[in-house]
Amino acid sequence: GAVVSQHPSWVICKSGTSVKIECRSLDFQATTMFWYRQFPKQSLMLMATSNEGSKATYEQGVEKDKFLINHASLTLSTLTVTSAHPEDSSFYICSATQGREQYFGPGTRLTVT
Amino acid sequence: RKEVEQDPGPFNVPEGATVAFNCTYSNSASQSFFWYRQDCRKEPKLLMSVYSSGNEDGRFTAQLNRASQYISLLIRDSKLSDSATYLCVVNSNSGYALNFGKGTSLLVTP
Repeated sequence: GAVVSQHPSWVICKSGTSVKIECRSLDFQATTMFWYRQFPKQSLMLMATSNEGSKATYEQGVEKDKFLINHASLTLSTLTVTSAHPEDSSFYICSATQGREQYFGPGTRLTVT
Repeated sequence: RKEVEQDPGPFNVPEGATVAFNCTYSNSASQSFFWYRQDCRKEPKLLMSVYSSGNEDGRFTAQLNRASQYISLLIRDSKLSDSATYLCVVNSNSGYALNFGKGTSLLVTP
């Protein structure tokens, strides 16, 4: 099956700093990637749809100025959490679609202290 | 009302048991349905797609009832390795993006 990677797999940062998370489709091109967030014991929640070459589409309640998404190529999307706060601590997962199926990256566990 | 609802469990069953998970969804326009499996602190992995006619993959059987907006997953002959959280997933209004249920936790014991 298709492979999606994420980097870093985990990160600890101080409150107020910014963190960039990369999502790559390794063996296929993805014009659309998705960013999800999962808090403990909660379901994955879609944050935004990342479109190659255009602006991301954010879900209601997700601040676009805080969660910056860039989809510069068909194999790379980045999510930058700006001015991170402890409440942003979560498991961030990206995915990419190939055909009807969606493949997930291994996730990035962000802890903001 | 949440878009995808599941019984959170946990379901504790002995090896070899048959267990069934249920799920309901609210968007009648949804077209794609899946069951994903998520292990602790890992990303979800596709278990199987769910088709209108029902489909089976080894010990796993999925059913879809569009009229009732209901999806089920049946696991036969449970293995220890089946212990995980099972996520009911439905595509969203925007097409490919997915709506996830909170998941049903399964623990298979020796």
